[in-house]
Amino acid sequence: GAGVSQSPRYKVTKRGQDVALRCDPISGHVSLYWYRQALGQGPEFLTYFNYEAQQDKSGLPNDRFSAERPEGSISTLTIQRTEQRDSAMYRCASRPTSGGSTDTQYFGPGTRLTVL
Amino acid sequence: AQSVTQPDIHITVSEGASLELRCNYSYGATPYLFWYVQSPGQGLQLLLKYFSGDTLVQGIKGFEAEFKRSQSSFNLRKPSVHWSDAAEYFCAVRRFYGNKLVFGAGTILRVKS
Repeated sequence: GAGVSQSPRYKVTKRGQDVALRCDPISGHVSLYWYRQALGQGPEFLTYFNYEAQQDKSGLPNDRFSAERPEGSISTLTIQRTEQRDSAMYRCASRPTSGGSTDTQYFGPGTRLTVL
Repeated sequence: AQSVTQPDIHITVSEGASLELRCNYSYGATPYLFWYVQSPGQGLQLLLKYFSGDTLVQGIKGFEAEFKRSQSSFNLRKPSVHWSDAAEYFCAVRRFYGNKLVFGAGTILRVKS
């Protein structure tokens, strides 16, 4: 079946603008995760959802970052008043809660955000 | 707090040679351990995972990894590398009752012919 999809794949914006990054998880996956990956680093956890409930947002760096998943499927990560330090690859992952791979997170291709 | 160390930033091996990528983790109990691979333009793909049981786990594409509790290590190995294995490899750990993955900084593998 289809994997995790993310859009846009590339986003260039000017400092101070707001951006919205979208994640469409694998159909039926209850859990959804957001990670941020700076150049030369591994992904770092931002937040995760079970269904529409945000269970952990401890990794969001500040209040300019927010995420939602209103219907328990597609999720949007929003960054307000972007800064150059927000430039990174933003990755989404989803995880099933039944079947044989409930401990595996499946990652999308990521959105490369560049803030000028 | 959990942490993952991948000591080698870059590794270059000849095609057909064996490969070992190192991973050390810091965690008080036995964690869940993962290796992911990232090819250019692709998402992170799971190679293999360890939860419990046999400490030598087999994954896709001919990769295997061995969990060594005494060394807090989970090194990735492949007996014979192919040019298509050139990519960036990430080791990750998750707490038994946790959700988030903690990743190492990655190792970039180059394969020379």
